[in-house]
Formats: sequence, C-alpha cells, structure tokens
Amino acid sequence: EAGVTQFPSHSVIEKGQTVTLRCDPISGHDNLYWYRRVMGKEIKFLLHFVKESKQDESGMPNNRFLAERTGGTYSTLKVQPAELEDSGVYFCASSQGSGSPLHFGNGTRLTVT
Amino acid sequence: DAKTTQPTSMDCAEGRAANLPCNHSTISGNEYVYWYRQIHSQGPQYIIHGLKNNETNEMASLIITEDRKSSTLILPHATLRDTAVYYCIVRPGGAGSYQLTFGKGTKLSVIP
Repeated sequence: EAGVTQFPSHSVIEKGQTVTLRCDPISGHDNLYWYRRVMGKEIKFLLHFVKESKQDESGMPNNRFLAERTGGTYSTLKVQPAELEDSGVYFCASSQGSGSPLHFGNGTRLTVT
Repeated sequence: DAKTTQPTSMDCAEGRAANLPCNHSTISGNEYVYWYRQIHSQGPQYIIHGLKNNETNEMASLIITEDRKSSTLILPHATLRDTAVYYCIVRPGGAGSYQLTFGKGTKLSVIP
C-alpha cells in the first residue's frame, strides 16, 4: 500500500510569490489533514477534510492560506502571497476514519527568502 | 485536550529495551494515548495507541497504568534506526478526535 505522498519535497520561493503544495492521501482514506512545523516550534494542526468538505480549519493562520480537495482525492495547499514566517515543513496526513490513526507524509520543506 | 509530560531526552544501548515514559495526569475517560515518532527529515510515524489496556504490535508495546495517569512505550530491542523524537499524545475519542496535539517529545538516542 502506497503511503501519503507530498510534492514537492522542497520549495524555495521569494517573499510575495505563490506556492502550491500537493498531497496524495492513502487510497480510500476519506480524512485528510494538513499540519506544519515552523522553525523551532512544535508541529501544529492546520485543517481537516472529510472527503471534499472542510471539517475544521481552525488552525489555518490567515487568509493567505487556501486548502482545497476537489473530488475528495488529493489536496492542495496554496500560500499567496508567501511571507518569511511561512517557512517551515508542511505535513499532510490521512486516516480512514476520523478516530483512526493518522498516517503522515514526509512533508514539503518551504523556504521563503 | 489533556497535556502530556515527557523527558526531553534519553539514551539507550543498542539491543536493549528502550522504555519511554509519559505522564498524562489530566486524561479523561474517553481519551486515547497515542505514540508517534519522527525520524530526522521524515514525517511523524504512527507507532501504537491504547485506551486502558496494554497494547502490543510489531513495533512496540504500550503499558498504561491502571489509573491511566501515565504510560510507557517499550521498544523491546532498540536499534540505531530507532533514534528519533518520540511523541506521546492524548487524543479525544468521538467527535473532534481528529486533531493531534504534538508537544516537544523525547529525543531518544540509541548508542552502539
């Protein structure tokens, strides 16, 4: 069984530019989550999809971040415009049910210069 | 969510059992204890979880005290590849169970 895959693994952009991160969950997992770790901080929850619907987006830092999951399969997380403080590692996870263990991808390391 | 307390770091000799403690004295009756680990440059990896009974799988064993206020993750024969940061997380069951709150974890170093 393929795990959660994220693309790209690294991204370096300039302040003010736009970046889109992609996550492919484990096949059959309706629940998809985004987390991130910014420099020196702990891993924090961003949002949760159940199929194509946003179940909880309480962790999204501001309206420069937009997550989508059209069709309930893969998800994208767009940052527009990127700021220096957005640098960090963005993790995607999926689970079969909302009470099931989450399985994480290896993350996208975003560097904003 | 209940908070957890873990030692900042631990060492373990290769081949020996690694016992990682966690305190969660404010845990509620419907909250599960989850363990994840993060090996350098990888995403968090699920290890094991339990409610009140001890659990074992191919990776580890989880021992939860009878009052549920603390638990221990046991890696029976630690290898160098087990060097990682280990996170003990208390996660509510039922509605709202999807969030995981990561703390600072325990950095386990397996020594040759």
